[in-house]
Amino acid sequence: EIVLTQSPGTLSLSPGERATLSCRASQSVSSSYLAWYQQKPGQAPRLLIYGASSRATGIPDRFSGSGSGTDFTLTISRLEPEDFAVYYCQQYGSSRYTFGQGTKLEIK
Amino acid sequence: EVQLVESGGGLVKPGGSLRLSCAASGFTFSSYSMNWVRQAPGKGLEWVSSISSSSSYIYYADSVKGRFTISRDNAKNSLYLQMNSLRAEDTAVYYCARGSSGGNAFDIWGQGTMVTVSS
Repeated sequence: EIVLTQSPGTLSLSPGERATLSCRASQSVSSSYLAWYQQKPGQAPRLLIYGASSRATGIPDRFSGSGSGTDFTLTISRLEPEDFAVYYCQQYGSSRYTFGQGTKLEIK
Repeated sequence: EVQLVESGGGLVKPGGSLRLSCAASGFTFSSYSMNWVRQAPGKGLEWVSSISSSSSYIYYADSVKGRFTISRDNAKNSLYLQMNSLRAEDTAVYYCARGSSGGNAFDIWGQGTMVTVSS
């Protein structure tokens, strides 16, 4: 089973700053099957990025995804107040999905 | 409006059973794979099970294999999760989620239904 490790566990930044979130896989992941989600307290997750770098419908262009192989990154170019949440990466392979443990993005 | 609405959660004793339902609307349900994902209180997301659009392919996480059964009724636009031999560690919010067109992500999520396994 592929294990996804996200870092940092918590990221403290201010609105307007740039956020860089990392997702590292225990073995190579197809870029086609790497996704990122945002989850706010009490809400269901929301798809942000699929195929490692494609934004989902309605997602602002300040969100971008990159990476390949075992290292993937979610970047938020300029943080808005509504961006403070928990972010998860997800991969699909060998007939199963796995999620990373999440990165909490908090207001500094 | 594209929507998924889960139901069927509740309190059940260890060893008991529960059946979750997910009602889909606003899209052609029969064209999409569907999934269950759970989240224990204060914890991260855990994939539980997936089913292809025609039920030809079904997958389970090792943690639920042999105890949970996923199914769907395309005529009723509904997804189900039959949960047997429930354990305390199955306590979680259970979300149903639609597989995206390429099957590579979950693009629509329900609001979730809480399952509590406790004596």
